Amino acid sequence: SQTIHQWPATLVQPVGSPLSLECTVEGTSNPNLYWYRQAAGRGLQLLFYSVGIGQISSEVPQNLSASRPQDRQFILSSKKLLLSDSGFYLCALSRGWDQETQYFGPGTRLLVL
Amino acid sequence: SQQGEEDPQALSIQEGENATMNCSYKTSINNLQWYRQNSGRGLVHLILIRSNEREKHSGRLRVTLDTSKKSSSLLITASRAADTASYFCATAHNTDKLIFGTGTRLQVFP
Repeated sequence: SQTIHQWPATLVQPVGSPLSLECTVEGTSNPNLYWYRQAAGRGLQLLFYSVGIGQISSEVPQNLSASRPQDRQFILSSKKLLLSDSGFYLCALSRGWDQETQYFGPGTRLLVL
Repeated sequence: SQQGEEDPQALSIQEGENATMNCSYKTSINNLQWYRQNSGRGLVHLILIRSNEREKHSGRLRVTLDTSKKSSSLLITASRAADTASYFCATAHNTDKLIFGTGTRLQVFP
């Protein structure tokens, strides 16, 4: 079965600093990959998704970007963090033969001060 | 805007009681899924019901889908303290994306 790793688990960053969150996947190949953000006590907002290496779709305008340099690696970045970027970031995948169900990583909690 | 809206936002019950959560959505779907999230953790897939299905069971979970009303319900029978979590519905359309609802926070007291 697939495993999703996210790091770091927790991050405190000052406003204006850069960001790099990494998601790596084991146990499956050519997955669809997703980045979500969850504000405290709220639902999930889809930020980016990728159907393959180098293919990124952005869902909302923001100062974040995503990249997929390898099949099982998905990176979320920012050049300058805003206070509003604080939240819980979740990486998820869906498998090629079962695109409908998503499997989630443990998440990264980001606090921008 | 988000597709799914859950009701109630929060629910508190005693162990052994049943918990019912509802989800409404706005446009036609291929399927509807329910996920569970323990505090500070990732989501876990619970159950999927397709648009041509009306009811589905998995252990103590029972999901119904009414496409005419664009609504679904999740019933957890004989609840346990370990069922304490947030529960989200998610709708699937003709894309690779899911649209998640706002969630119901369930608290089960021992």
